[in-house]
Amino acid sequence: GAVVSQHPSRVICKSGTSVKIECRSLDFQATTMFWYRQFPKQSLMLMATSNEGSKATYEQGVEKDKFLINHASLTLSTLTVTSAHPEDSSFYICSARTASSYNEQFFGPGTRLTVL
Amino acid sequence: TQLLEQSPQFLSIQEGENLTVYCNSSSVFSSLQWYRQEPGEGPVLLVTVVTGGEVKKLKRLTFQFGDARKDSSLHITAAQPGDTGLYLCAGQEYGNKLVFGAGTILRVKS
Repeated sequence: GAVVSQHPSRVICKSGTSVKIECRSLDFQATTMFWYRQFPKQSLMLMATSNEGSKATYEQGVEKDKFLINHASLTLSTLTVTSAHPEDSSFYICSARTASSYNEQFFGPGTRLTVL
Repeated sequence: TQLLEQSPQFLSIQEGENLTVYCNSSSVFSSLQWYRQEPGEGPVLLVTVVTGGEVKKLKRLTFQFGDARKDSSLHITAAQPGDTGLYLCAGQEYGNKLVFGAGTILRVKS
C-alpha cells in the first residue's frame, strides 16, 4: 500500500524560531502533496497544495511567507513554520496523492508542534 | 469550494450496537473517501466509493455512495471498542483537492 512518513513526529520549540517538517512518500512518487492543520477533536483544514517543481498553492487565510512549502522531489515535500508563535501550536498532517484513477490521498502520521 | 456536512458529530454507544454516520452535500463529487483517525495519528483510508449507488463492505463496516454522488453513509454493525476513533468523510472535487466533513467522534463502551 501507499505509505507516507513525516518527520519529526513531535517538536517543541521556542517562540520566534523556525521549524521544518518533512513529508515523504515511501513507495510511490507523488507529484502533489497536501499540508493540513488539525485542532483537537476537529476535522482537517487544508493549508496548501504542494506541487513538485512549482510553487505551492495556499488556501485563503494561510500566510505563504509564514508557512514555507518546498516540493523539491517526487517523494519529498517540506513545510517550514517561520518565526513560530504559540498560536502556531497544532497537529500538522501531510498527505500524498497517488496516480490512481481515483486520486486517492494517503496521510502521514502527523507532527505535533508545540511553541513555547 | 464544495461543502460536506457530516453527522452526528459525537456518538457514544455500547458494544454490540449498530450506528450510521452520514455525509451530505449539495454538490457532486467524483469520488468520496472515508477515513478513520486515532488520537495523535494521521487518518487511515478505509474505502473509496466512486459510482453512484455503490455499496462497499469492509467486515462490519458498510459504505454507501448516493445515486447522485452527493451523499454517503457509513454503517457499523455490532460496534466494538476497537472501532472508537474519529471518522472522516472526504469528497473529491473534480481533479482537485479533498473536501472534508467535520468528523464524527465515535466512542464504543464495553
